[in-house]
Amino acid sequence: GNSVTQMEGPVTLSEEAFLTINCTYTATGYPSLFWYVQYPGEGLQLLLKATKADDKGSNKGFEATYRKETTSFHLEKGSVQVSDSAVYFCALGLSNTGKLIFGQGTTLQVKP
Amino acid sequence: DVKVTQSSRYLVKRTGEKVFLECVQDMDHENMFWYRQDPGLGLRLIYFSYDVKMKEKGDIPEGYSVSREKKERFSLILESASTNQTSMYLCASSVSRTRYTEAFFGQGTRLTVV
Repeated sequence: GNSVTQMEGPVTLSEEAFLTINCTYTATGYPSLFWYVQYPGEGLQLLLKATKADDKGSNKGFEATYRKETTSFHLEKGSVQVSDSAVYFCALGLSNTGKLIFGQGTTLQVKP
Repeated sequence: DVKVTQSSRYLVKRTGEKVFLECVQDMDHENMFWYRQDPGLGLRLIYFSYDVKMKEKGDIPEGYSVSREKKERFSLILESASTNQTSMYLCASSVSRTRYTEAFFGQGTRLTVV
């Protein structure tokens, strides 16, 4: 079946530390991959996306590369800020149905 | 600006009540979705719809039904609310099933069933 697995949180980092949140997927066909972010008390916002193998999505200093050979889409940021504290969701999109399948979410807490 | 609006941010209902959660999008999107979000479980798809009056079950449809009479509106119905339906409910929309792009989400409705 189709599924997404994210590293378990919470992840606690100091400001300016390097961030990696791992995401791996299982899918049939050629899915699109997404990272969404949810700030406290808000809905989900798209952070970045990649629609085919070897694509790199980037936004606000975050980036992730669609790796078909390892079925991964790990999220990275070189220097996190307190304002990056949020829940991050990895998701895959199935092109034949439009469905989005989410991972369980990873909570990031950045301390000053 | 893209907008998905859910009718309530917070709801408290009693066990056994019939509950309606409403969602409206202003982007002329074909796809609309209802998810529930629970800690440690991520977002789980309840139902989705790719056209007016069309619906498909997601991963956890039991205890829920949906209605889509107009393209812009997608309602989630809890026929007889139970305490295990206490959760955050998120509505989303996307362009179409054949031209997949990202989904846009509403602010969420936090439902408590007492």
